[in-house]
Amino acid sequence: DAGVIQSPRHEVTEMGQEVTLRCKPISGHDYLFWYRQTMMRGLELLIYFNNNVPIDDSGMPEDRFSAKMPNASFSTLKIQPSEPRDSAVYFCASSLDRGVTEAFFGQGTRLTVV
Amino acid sequence: QKEVEQDPGPLSVPEGAIVSLNCTYSNSAFQYFMWYRQYSRKGPELLMYTYSSGNKEDGRFTAQVDKSSKYISLFIRDSQPSDSATYLCAMSFNTGNQFYFGTGTSLTVIP
Repeated sequence: DAGVIQSPRHEVTEMGQEVTLRCKPISGHDYLFWYRQTMMRGLELLIYFNNNVPIDDSGMPEDRFSAKMPNASFSTLKIQPSEPRDSAVYFCASSLDRGVTEAFFGQGTRLTVV
Repeated sequence: QKEVEQDPGPLSVPEGAIVSLNCTYSNSAFQYFMWYRQYSRKGPELLMYTYSSGNKEDGRFTAQVDKSSKYISLFIRDSQPSDSATYLCAMSFNTGNQFYFGTGTSLTVIP
């Protein structure tokens, strides 16, 4: 398996534009997580899914953020409209059910909003 | 107060030194304690984990958990330049799959 695949690796966009980040989890994993990482706040959990169902979205900062998981092999995180303070590295991770010790992370998407 | 606190560093040590990285936490219900390593411009990768209290050793790495003090440590012996990375502690409960991460400590091992 190629691991968790995220696209794009880098995204530069203008304030107010819509941004869509994509993730393909490891096949067979039941959980999918979206994290945001900044120097100031570290790794923050935004939302996670279990079997394609959103379980906890309390980390989503505002209504401008939304996430979907239409099937077991694909998830998106959308920001609309984007703002400069959304600039961060966004990671997708997946884990097995009862995988309380290991989440497998993708390479991340580095988002810059200018 | 965050659930998991970690000194961000940065920490710079000479090659061969013993490194000590630490985290404190507030929720006594945490059962699994993990250390992730993150190289620059990469995603975090699990280094090792411990269940409940005690020590665990893996090569040059030793993880310690002191639940009475709500304190965990990672020791790196004979540190190498390849150990230069950010180290994140993480914790989880006995049920569910939510991970709680520290902010990470940046480590540089100087040859």
